[in-house]
This record gives sequence, C-alpha cells and structure tokens, in this order.
Amino acid sequence: AQTVTQSQPEMSVQEAETVTLSCTYDTSESDYYLFWYKQPPSRQMILVIRQEAYKQQNATENRFSVNFQKAAKSFSLKISDSQLGDAAMYFCAYTPFNYGGSQGNLIFGKGTKLSVKP
Amino acid sequence: DTEVTQTPKHLVMGMTNKKSLKCEQHMGHRAMYWYKQKAKKPPELMFVYSYEKLSINESVPSRFSPECPNSSLLNLHLHALQPEDSALYLCASSLDGGSRGGGELFFGEGSRLTVL
Repeated sequence: AQTVTQSQPEMSVQEAETVTLSCTYDTSESDYYLFWYKQPPSRQMILVIRQEAYKQQNATENRFSVNFQKAAKSFSLKISDSQLGDAAMYFCAYTPFNYGGSQGNLIFGKGTKLSVKP
Repeated sequence: DTEVTQTPKHLVMGMTNKKSLKCEQHMGHRAMYWYKQKAKKPPELMFVYSYEKLSINESVPSRFSPECPNSSLLNLHLHALQPEDSALYLCASSLDGGSRGGGELFFGEGSRLTVL
C-alpha cells in the first residue's frame, strides 16, 4: 500500500528564519509525483511545490525548496525567510504516474501545522 | 482563470433535509473530485469523475449522491445525513484523471457543512 507519513504534527518558526518540514512515503512505483500543499485557515488547498520522481534535481519555487531523496523515500520542504503568511497546515501528498487512466488520486500525509512567530 | 468555485460556502441542514453542494471550474479540466475533510485531518477522497463518468467511488454511503452534468460542473446531493457527516467538503479538478498536467489537483475553498 502507498502511504505518506508526516512525523511532525506541529512546527514553529521565527519570522525571517528557515524551517524544514519532513515527509516520508512508501511506494513500489518508480514513476510518481510528490507535492506539498498548503491549507491556511481560509481553507483552500494551494499547491506549494511539485516534484517529479524521475527528476534528480530538487524543485524550487521562490522561498520554497524540497530535498528529494528517492532511495530513502524522503521529501522534505524547506521554507526560507519565513513570513507570517506562511502560517498554515502543510500536507505532503503523493500520486503515482498514470498513463492516461482514471486514478488521479492524491494520497495525503496527516499534515504539519506551521506557526510563524513575529 | 484558475479557479474552482464552490457554493455554498456554509450550509446548515437537519437530518431530514435534502440539499446540494455545487462546484464549477472553467479551466477545461476533464477530471473532478469530491473530498471530505474533518478538522485537523487530511482530505479523504469520496468520488472521482473522469470525462463525466464516475470512475472512483470510495465506498461512500448512499446518502451522498454525486452528479456531473457536464465537464465543468460537479454536484454533491445530500439526503438524510448524520451529524458525523459534518465536515468541510472540498471539490477539486485536474487536467484529466491521469498524469497529464503533472498530476496537480486544483482545489476550491470548500463548503463547510453542519448537520444538526
């Protein structure tokens, strides 16, 4: 079974500092996508960053970057220069690469609640 | 336009009521999803429509009835719900049910349902 594990239920960071959120996953697939989604109190799930498993290079999006370790099945999110607006629940998610089928299901971790202190 | 719009944002209903949640997207996506999310939990998949056909039904009770009138619209009809069905219901869409577009799901803001 494919699973996603986030071992940190809550994290806290000082504004302008860096924080890393952990995620591990289990799969027997070789092709897949990994995501970090952010869900602020406003409720909408917003994609933060995506990683294709076949790419060795770690994805980056402005202040957000990942450390993707395929062999270790690890996918951590680093947030640099943390801002008050980064406070949210962060979900790590996995989906297998699907060659035109009708799966399309995201498997989510339990989430990490990030607080940002001014 | 990259929005998934859900209405209503809040809904309070009694256990004998019939109501519907609506979802609309205009991104040309051909897969749409309903997720249920309880407080402080990750979203749980309920239904997937791919090219307007129901492709995944995750053993959801029959008091939840999905409908996909066309590729832009997705409804969730609610009837005889229980208080434990109170949750945030999220609609999402993707380019298709496969991995075109990178597998990304676009979510709406959700409909907060309270069953009394």
